[in-house]
Amino acid sequence: EDQVTQSPEALRLQEGESSSLNCSYTVSGLRGLFWYRQDPGKGPEFLFTLYSAGEEKEKERLKATLTKKESFLHITAPKPEDSATYLCAVQAPQAGTALIFGKGTTLSVSS
Amino acid sequence: DGGITQSPKYLFRKEGQNVTLSCEQNLNHDAMYWYRQDPGQGLRLIYYSQIVNDFQKGDIAEGYSVSREKKESFPLTVTSAQKNPTAFYLCASLKDSGANVLTFGAGSRLTVL
Repeated sequence: EDQVTQSPEALRLQEGESSSLNCSYTVSGLRGLFWYRQDPGKGPEFLFTLYSAGEEKEKERLKATLTKKESFLHITAPKPEDSATYLCAVQAPQAGTALIFGKGTTLSVSS
Repeated sequence: DGGITQSPKYLFRKEGQNVTLSCEQNLNHDAMYWYRQDPGQGLRLIYYSQIVNDFQKGDIAEGYSVSREKKESFPLTVTSAQKNPTAFYLCASLKDSGANVLTFGAGSRLTVL
């Protein structure tokens, strides 16, 4: 069964304290791994897509990397406005074009 | 600006009542999806539709129904058969070519009284 597991469930950081979020997956025939950001009471907002092991993408303080079994979302020198829930998802053949999501990591950054 | 509009934003329902959540997109996207989100849970797929007049069940379709009569619209009906309907419902769409990035609406929060 295709699965996505995110850790930790919650993460508290001080402003400027860099860290990483983990997304491990078991998928037969990965078509893509996606990272989204979700603010409370809102829909997820797309951040990155990664397709193959070794691929990396960056956007401001965020950097996503991909291996054959997991992905990391690195947050460098976070600011309070980075506080949100970060969702990882994979696209797998048996679900058509739908995404399979992990439960998310809720990040809180305090000043 | 193109996007996905979900309505209503908040909805209260009495037990035993059916309710319909609206999802409209003007992105000219081919595929549309409904997800359910509960506190501390990830998004779970309810139904999806790749083309007009066709749709497939997701992981938690029981107690829900959908229709896809127009490319722009994909309404979700939460029926009285859904045992625990209180949740945050998210609609998404996808252009069935290119980057395969799902675009989400702002969500509808359903509360059963």
